[in-house]
Amino acid sequence: AQTVTQSQPEMSVQEAETVTLSCTYDTSENNYYLFWYKQPPSRQMILVIRQEAYKQQNATENRFSVNFQKAAKSFSLKISDSQLGDTAMYFCALLEGAGSYQLTFGKGTKLSVIP
Amino acid sequence: EAGVAQSPRYKIIEKRQSVAFWCNPISGHATLYWYQQILGQGPKLLIQFQNNGVVDDSQLPKDRFSAERLKGVDSTLKIQPAKLEDSAVYLCASSSPGQAQETQYFGPGTRLLVL
Repeated sequence: AQTVTQSQPEMSVQEAETVTLSCTYDTSENNYYLFWYKQPPSRQMILVIRQEAYKQQNATENRFSVNFQKAAKSFSLKISDSQLGDTAMYFCALLEGAGSYQLTFGKGTKLSVIP
Repeated sequence: EAGVAQSPRYKIIEKRQSVAFWCNPISGHATLYWYQQILGQGPKLLIQFQNNGVVDDSQLPKDRFSAERLKGVDSTLKIQPAKLEDSAVYLCASSSPGQAQETQYFGPGTRLLVL
């Protein structure tokens, strides 16, 4: 069965600084997708970034980028120039391609951006 | 483009009562998901629909939970009778049948408190 582990329950970063959130996963599939979702206190889950396992190039989305290490099954999220609006829970999620498209989430990392 | 809509946003009931949640997915999205998110955890899939058919309901507690998507658009999730451990946020998500089918977009959620 697929699993997702986020080992940092809480993190904090100064405004304008860079922070990296960690995620490891386990799957027996070769075709899968990885996601980072952000959930602010309002509870709306928002997609931050996605990575296809077959792509070697790391995904980037403005201030957000990932470090995808397929052999190590690691998928970290880097947030550059942190802003107060980045304060939220961040969830790493795995989706195995084909079949039910069930997302498996980690337990989340609570990020606080300090002014 | 309108996002995933859910109602109500909040619900408080007593144990053994029944409750229903409604979800309207993004227009054109054939796949609809219901997740349960208990406080401090990542969301867990309850049921997945493709159009009006069930794809995966393996984690739905069928003795008390039911869901339907009669016309392949909006969906209703019901709990009857509710238990204290059902207190959670119920998230609805949808995805497109096109190229990015694996990317799920979430609604704001319904926060349920069972007393």
